[in-house]
Amino acid sequence: DAGITQSPRHKVTETGTPVTLRCHQTENHRYMYWYRQDPGHGLRLIHYSYGVKDTDKGEVSDGYSVSRSKTEDFLLTLESATSSQTSVYFCAISESSQSVYGYTFGSGTRLTVV
Amino acid sequence: AQSVTQLDSQVPVFEEAPVELRCNYSSSVSVYLFWYVQYPNQGLQLLLKYLSGSTLVKGINGFEAEFNKSQTSFHLRKPSVHISDTAEYLCAVKSPMDSNYQLIWGAGTKLIIKP
Repeated sequence: DAGITQSPRHKVTETGTPVTLRCHQTENHRYMYWYRQDPGHGLRLIHYSYGVKDTDKGEVSDGYSVSRSKTEDFLLTLESATSSQTSVYFCAISESSQSVYGYTFGSGTRLTVV
Repeated sequence: AQSVTQLDSQVPVFEEAPVELRCNYSSSVSVYLFWYVQYPNQGLQLLLKYLSGSTLVKGINGFEAEFNKSQTSFHLRKPSVHISDTAEYLCAVKSPMDSNYQLIWGAGTKLIIKP
């Protein structure tokens, strides 16, 4: 969707390797989020950011780290990929801390760990 | 803590029939409510939202939702569905009084349109 892009769209990686997913926005929104989506679990928050270099953990942060050195980029790193991290990962952005405008989502990254 | 329940994991309905997708949230304090739609192999798109004011909210693609504070519900409706409405629908809530920045999500409901 316009304003937010995720890369790569698909990735297959081996167990134990590090993986970095990128979220890039052109909307200059302050708040950015990484979610994973799995059947039966819905959307689960991994990490979020409320400004450059300001990040915090979500409900499923173990095994993941994030960095935000610029407003427009929010990187998600799987330190050492495991099969349980096979999932679809979504990035979202929000203009307001109260989410009054809702979130805008990227198209997702389908990650397979073999 | 706030939670969201979407009781139906799947809702099958015939084309041109009406549909209601149910969403209940746990706390009766002031809330913002959202419905998102996710078409197959795509990201999520905002359908509609309730922030304040009229309890009947109209969204895109002919969908509407009604906020019911006493029943802590925000059910999504469409009077006549089409094949193109086949998607997953997710309900989300945000309490303005919460200090965190997160939306709380339901597990989603798959709308299956039968021809």
